[in-house]
Amino acid sequence: GENVEQHPSTLSVQEGDSAVIKCTYSDSASNYFPWYKQELGKGPQLIIDIRSNVGEKKDQRIAVTLNKTAKHFSLHITETQPEDSAVYFCAASIDYGSNYQLIWGAGTKLIIKP
Amino acid sequence: KAGVTQTPRYLIKTRGQQVTLSCSPISGHRSVSWYQQTPGQGLQFLFEYFSETQRNKGNFPGRFSGRQFSNSRSEMNVSTLELGDSALYLCASSFGQGNGYTFGSGTRLTVV
Repeated sequence: GENVEQHPSTLSVQEGDSAVIKCTYSDSASNYFPWYKQELGKGPQLIIDIRSNVGEKKDQRIAVTLNKTAKHFSLHITETQPEDSAVYFCAASIDYGSNYQLIWGAGTKLIIKP
Repeated sequence: KAGVTQTPRYLIKTRGQQVTLSCSPISGHRSVSWYQQTPGQGLQFLFEYFSETQRNKGNFPGRFSGRQFSNSRSEMNVSTLELGDSALYLCASSFGQGNGYTFGSGTRLTVV
């Protein structure tokens, strides 16, 4: 079945620097890859997603890249700010006939140092 | 528009008891998924309901069950609670498969 690995588990960067979180997936049929941000005491919030027919997508300081051949996708945050501190989750879709699910990475705790 | 509403926010139960959690999805969303989140296990998929039918199910014991009503509101029930059931239970709604989820803030269940 599909497996999603996420690295690193913890990432500490200086405010203003860039942060990159990487995920790899195993099922070549996966075609939807969302990223979620979870702040303390809240549920995960969708911040950006990408579909398999696109290689890159950008939304202000956040971008996601997808390499279908290598089966990995990455989240890039530029000019990090204190409010970017949170846990970030990646996910990849699986669709086995009637069984559609998102398979989740284990999460990355991003710490922005002032 | 209103987000996904989960009630209650916090719950303390005793081992052996049962509990019912509620989720009201975003208006127009017909798919409701439930997840269990624990520090060591991340986000674990429980089940998904669509138009009052369970469409997918994760690998949880039969003590975990759910249902969805005609207005898309969903409930999940856990019977014979165990200490290991202590977790944050998250509900997520979406238009359907292949679309992003909107999560609620979750119900923090503590079993003592």
